[in-house]
Amino acid sequence: AQSVTQPDIHITVSEGASLELRCNYSYGATPYLFWYVQSPGQGLQLLLKYFSGDTLVQGIKGFEAEFKRSQSSFNLRKPSVHWSDAAEYFCAVGAGAGNNRKLIWGLGTSLAVNP
Amino acid sequence: DVKVTQSSRYLVKRTGEKVFLECVQDMDHENMFWYRQDPGLGLRLIYFSYDVKMKEKGDIPEGYSVSREKKERFSLILESASTNQTSMYLCASSLGGSRRYEQYFGPGTRLTVT
Repeated sequence: AQSVTQPDIHITVSEGASLELRCNYSYGATPYLFWYVQSPGQGLQLLLKYFSGDTLVQGIKGFEAEFKRSQSSFNLRKPSVHWSDAAEYFCAVGAGAGNNRKLIWGLGTSLAVNP
Repeated sequence: DVKVTQSSRYLVKRTGEKVFLECVQDMDHENMFWYRQDPGLGLRLIYFSYDVKMKEKGDIPEGYSVSREKKERFSLILESASTNQTSMYLCASSLGGSRRYEQYFGPGTRLTVT
């Protein structure tokens, strides 16, 4: 069955430290992969996406993610975290075809940033 | 910028009431979605629509219905609200094809059913 696992429910980092949020997926075909961010009190916003090609993708707000097929992973990284990055982060895989296309969501990782 | 608006940020309703949640998008997107978000359960798809008057059930449609009479508007209806429908409701929209996965979200409606 298709699924997305985010192993870390909650992570705390210090401002200025590097960040890596883990995401593992289970999907039979070549996956479309996404990271979304939900800041407090707001809806979700697309951070970045992987469809094909270069396995290292750049997104908004200085984030990047690397697709590793052999590990079924799509980890999100940022070299230096800012206090404003405190939010909930969701990994998702695009599944289905035609009008049945939908996102399979991970349960999210909550990021706290210490000053 | 795409804008997705939801009619209310907070809503309190009584058990048994009929509840309407409205969502409007301003970018001519074909697809619109309704999710509910609960702690520990993540986002779950309730219903989606890929065209006017077209609707498809998502993963948890029970107790809900939807209406899409105009392309820009997608309504979620709770026919008889129950306490287990207390949740955050998120509306989203997207273009077609593989762009369907690139969804733009509204700010959410936190519904409390008492």
